[in-house]
Amino acid sequence: DGGITQSPKYLFRKEGQNVTLSCEQNLNHDAMYWYRQDPGQGLRLIYYSQIVNDFQKGDIAEGYSVSREKKESFPLTVTSAQKNPTAFYLCASSIQGPGDEKLFFGSGTQLSVL
Amino acid sequence: RKEVEQDPGPFNVPEGATVAFNCTYSNSASQSFFWYRQDCRKEPKLLMSVYSSGNEDGRFTAQLNRASQYISLLIRDSKLSDSATYLCVVNLISNFGNEKLTFGTGTRLTIIP
Repeated sequence: DGGITQSPKYLFRKEGQNVTLSCEQNLNHDAMYWYRQDPGQGLRLIYYSQIVNDFQKGDIAEGYSVSREKKESFPLTVTSAQKNPTAFYLCASSIQGPGDEKLFFGSGTQLSVL
Repeated sequence: RKEVEQDPGPFNVPEGATVAFNCTYSNSASQSFFWYRQDCRKEPKLLMSVYSSGNEDGRFTAQLNRASQYISLLIRDSKLSDSATYLCVVNLISNFGNEKLTFGTGTRLTIIP
């Protein structure tokens, strides 16, 4: 079955630690995205990538980094510079770039700070 | 003013009733509009697109009012399984002409038996 897979489902970060969230898709989509969801707020775009080896900052990129070495994979690293990392992180992909109505989401990763 | 604004609810509605909620957007140049559904701690899923002429999918009807800059979602004969958060999503055009999907905070709906 085609889809988008995020792991882990739950992740805990210690103070000063970098953690990496995995996102893999086998839909052959060019565009991939990372969103952050906080209670009472809409999904906010962290980073997106429209093609391998290229990515763009979203609205809240500070404290995060990404890579796009393969079409299928778009990992997100939450660095120690991100002072409020506790949130639900959603990875998504689409056939076209930003503005494409049909986003396919992974099941999300809940990140919490110890 | 928020780019996309929704009443967070919760809307508590008896089973079988009709419920409607709106979403307003600030950028008059926005081109496309969608409703997504999100179950608790799950990923959002596209429910339906919203067209100028209005569109219907079974018990769900979506409308767009460009003059007043809002979209609406109507659910008829509500089922227990309709309980979820409904996200309004707008394709906003930035000052540089870039497209971006912007999500509302969502409206929480609970259908009561």
